[in-house]
Amino acid sequence: EPEVTQTPSHQVTQMGQEVILRCVPISNHLYFYWYRQILGQKVEFLVSFYNNEISEKSEIFDDQFSVERPDGSNFTLKIRSTKLEDSAMYFCASSDPGGRQPQHFGDGTRLSIL
Amino acid sequence: GEDVEQSLFLSVREGDSSVINCTYTDSSSTYLYWYKQEPGAGLQLLTYIFSNMDMKQDQRLTVLLNKKDKHLSLRIADTQTGDSAIYFCADAIYNQGGKLIFGQGTELSVKP
Repeated sequence: EPEVTQTPSHQVTQMGQEVILRCVPISNHLYFYWYRQILGQKVEFLVSFYNNEISEKSEIFDDQFSVERPDGSNFTLKIRSTKLEDSAMYFCASSDPGGRQPQHFGDGTRLSIL
Repeated sequence: GEDVEQSLFLSVREGDSSVINCTYTDSSSTYLYWYKQEPGAGLQLLTYIFSNMDMKQDQRLTVLLNKKDKHLSLRIADTQTGDSAIYFCADAIYNQGGKLIFGQGTELSVKP
């Protein structure tokens, strides 16, 4: 069964550094999402992306965050200047061209900011 | 704003049925989802229900939706130790880019 893949599985970064989290969505999917889960808290929506632009973003997704689909297969989340509170599990998800079908999630990237 | 609530823990004996409950606030929900998360793993889609349905059955899983009370439940029949995981209820908000609002997850512990 097709799946969403995320790399790396664990990223350790110094505070203030830039980090890029990578995702390869399911190949025929056109809607893409990033979520995060801080340890012990709920999974929170960050951003949705369709047709090469952001559809919706949460208040967490401030100017430090950006998303990009640099080619036909990858979907990236960049955090420009990381803060301690950015430490979390980041999940990528995608859904099919209908956009109202279930979102399929990757295994996540655990981001640790030192 | 929209919110989804779940109880945090459930413990059952192997072979019993498990019922995990969820409440939500969004009045325009179209789809509601159940995801499973095993330790160190991602979010695995288990099942989902469209808001015009009351019930959906899929093998050992039964989803019940009470739209009037905004209450969703997941019943797992003949629960096995391999079902031990965290179960998340999620509400899809389609007029906001399709984002999912998650509950805090219910940790299911199945004892032999």
